[in-house]
Amino acid sequence: QLQLQESGPGLVKPSETLSLTCTVSGGSISSSSYYWGWIRQPPGKGLEWIGSIYYSGSTYYNPSLKSRVTISVDTSKNQFSLKLSSVTAADTAVYYCASWAYDAFDIWGQGTMVTVSS
Amino acid sequence: EIVLTQSPGTLSLSPGERATLSCRASQSVSSSYLAWYQQKPGQAPRLLIYGASSRATGIPDRFSGSGSGTDFTLTISRLEPEDFAVYYCQQYGSSLTFGPGTKVDIK
Repeated sequence: QLQLQESGPGLVKPSETLSLTCTVSGGSISSSSYYWGWIRQPPGKGLEWIGSIYYSGSTYYNPSLKSRVTISVDTSKNQFSLKLSSVTAADTAVYYCASWAYDAFDIWGQGTMVTVSS
Repeated sequence: EIVLTQSPGTLSLSPGERATLSCRASQSVSSSYLAWYQQKPGQAPRLLIYGASSRATGIPDRFSGSGSGTDFTLTISRLEPEDFAVYYCQQYGSSLTFGPGTKVDIK
């Protein structure tokens, strides 16, 4: 059974870079069956797709965040990562990683809260 | 970018009643690329429906999806206590976007 777990700092200062890692267990991140994605949810609000990556390294980003986002994959560690630069309070959210199959996000991590504050 | 609009914003129903949730797209969406998710407080979203009408693994058959083009519907035939939650639709075609959600709460 595929499982995903987010990790990273829960507090980031304004203008700095948010960095999160998603560790995949119960399956290989190099599987051709999956893409891997990041989604976020500000407190009390809806879901926003940040971007996705394939094990080969091909990436797809939300146009509204593209200039600040980098998603990468480390197949040796079965992990993929998110970097979001120049963060502001508007980037405060629960960040989820998820696997993409059947043209939908089928398995989600539990989410990690990231607060942007000095 | 395709904008998804969900209605109603809140649906107040009793257990055992039928719930009908709407998702409307600003442009036509391929049915293959329309999904529905359920989210309960403090939990990650859970995939219910993909491809507009296919139930995800382990999803009870009281959940059904339908629609095409710009109009899609999620139906819960008889609400169980555990179904009271927020429901999001999502499209993948022109970029990837989620609707704002419909909250189904207990009347």
